[in-house]
Amino acid sequence: EVQLVESGGGLVQPGGSLRLSCVASGFSLSSHWMSWVRQAPGKGLEWVADINQDGSETHYVDSVEGRFTISRDNAKNSLYLQMNSLRVEDTAFYYCVRDPRFFQHWGQGTLVSVSS
Amino acid sequence: DVVMTQSPLSLPVTLGQPASISCRSSQGLVYSDGNIYVNWFQQRPGQSPRLLFHTISKRVSGVPDRFSGSGSGTDFKLEISRVEAEDVGVYYCMQGTHWPWTFGQGTKVDIK
Repeated sequence: EVQLVESGGGLVQPGGSLRLSCVASGFSLSSHWMSWVRQAPGKGLEWVADINQDGSETHYVDSVEGRFTISRDNAKNSLYLQMNSLRVEDTAFYYCVRDPRFFQHWGQGTLVSVSS
Repeated sequence: DVVMTQSPLSLPVTLGQPASISCRSSQGLVYSDGNIYVNWFQQRPGQSPRLLFHTISKRVSGVPDRFSGSGSGTDFKLEISRVEAEDVGVYYCMQGTHWPWTFGQGTKVDIK
C-alpha cells in the first residue's frame, strides 16, 4: 500500500524558515516524480513544486520561486521542502503527492502557520 | 497560467438525484502525447483529496460507477448519477498538461 507521511509543520514568524519532510512507503520513491501541494485553511488547492526522479529537475509556482526548495533523498525514501522567508500567505496544509500530472496518492498533510 | 473555472461553486443536492459539475479551461489542454490531462478530485470533510478520474474520463480503481468524467476541448464535466450521503464534500478539477499545474476553485456538494 502506498503511504506518504508528512512532518515538520508548525508555527513560525514571518521571515522564518521551516523544513517539511515526507516519508514514502509501499513503493520505490526513486521511480516517481513527486510534488508538494498546499491548501490554505478553508480554501482551494495550489500546486507548489515538483521534482523528478533523481532530483535534477525541479519546478515551482511563481509565488514560492526563490524562497522554497524541493529536494529528495531516495536512499531514505524521503521528500523535502525547505521553506525560507515565510509569509503570512504561506499558511496552509502542505501535502506530499506522488506523480504530478495525475496526483493519485496524497499524504495526510502537515499544517504550516505563519504568524507573528 | 491556465485558469480552470468551475461551476457551480455550491451544489445542494437531493439524495438519489443526479448532480453535475462543469470545469472550463482558459486554453487548450492537449499534451504532446495527444492526451488531455484533466483530473477530478473529491475532498471529504477533514480528509486529503482523492483522485477520482484522470485524463478526463479514466476512473481510478475503487471509484463507484455512479461517477463519470467527460469532456473535450476546453469543457469538462463530472457527473454523479445518484447522489449518496458519502458524496458530500468539495470537488476539484485540475489540469496536468501545462506547468504550473492548476486547480479549479472547488465545488461544494452537500445534501439539501
